[in-house]
Amino acid sequence: EDKVVQSPLSLVVHEGDTVTLNCSYEVTNFRSLLWYKQEKKAPTFLFMLTSSGIEKKSGRLSSILDKKELFSILNITATQTGDSAIYLCAVGRDYNTDKLIFGTGTRLQVFP
Amino acid sequence: DVKVTQSSRYLVKRTGEKVFLECVQDMDHENMFWYRQDPGLGLRLIYFSYDVKMKEKGDIPEGYSVSREKKERFSLILESASTNQTSMYLCASRPGTSYYEQYFGPGTRLTVT
Repeated sequence: EDKVVQSPLSLVVHEGDTVTLNCSYEVTNFRSLLWYKQEKKAPTFLFMLTSSGIEKKSGRLSSILDKKELFSILNITATQTGDSAIYLCAVGRDYNTDKLIFGTGTRLQVFP
Repeated sequence: DVKVTQSSRYLVKRTGEKVFLECVQDMDHENMFWYRQDPGLGLRLIYFSYDVKMKEKGDIPEGYSVSREKKERFSLILESASTNQTSMYLCASRPGTSYYEQYFGPGTRLTVT
């Protein structure tokens, strides 16, 4: 059965800390891995990683994909209170592009 | 910017009521999705739609139905609401089947008492 597992489930840090969020997957016909940030509203898209793009960076956020070991990490440096959110990882597959398989998310809380 | 809106942020209904959740997107996207999100279970796909009047069951369709009469609007229907349908419901859309990135609405938190 295809599955996506995120860890840790929850994380509490202070502003300025660096955090690493993990996403491992066991999915047939892997095609892409997506990261979303969910605050008290719509999940917003952060990155998509594929075979042709295994590393992405945007400001203080960066992500890498390890297709051999079947995982991805999301790094946030110099965290701010505005980074507090649930971070969702999702995997898309070839031949069945309709469904994204989501992990349960990591809840990040950043305190001043 | 893509905008996906949902008719209500919070909704309280009684057991047995028929419930309609509405979703509208303004980017002419072909595909639309309904998920529910529960603690510890993540997002689970209820139904999705390729195009107008087209629908496919997701992973947990039992107790739900959908309607897509217009391209921009996708409705989720709970025929007879039950307490185990208390959840956060998220709608999403994407341009077409060659795209993986989905755009989400703000969610409707439904409580069934």
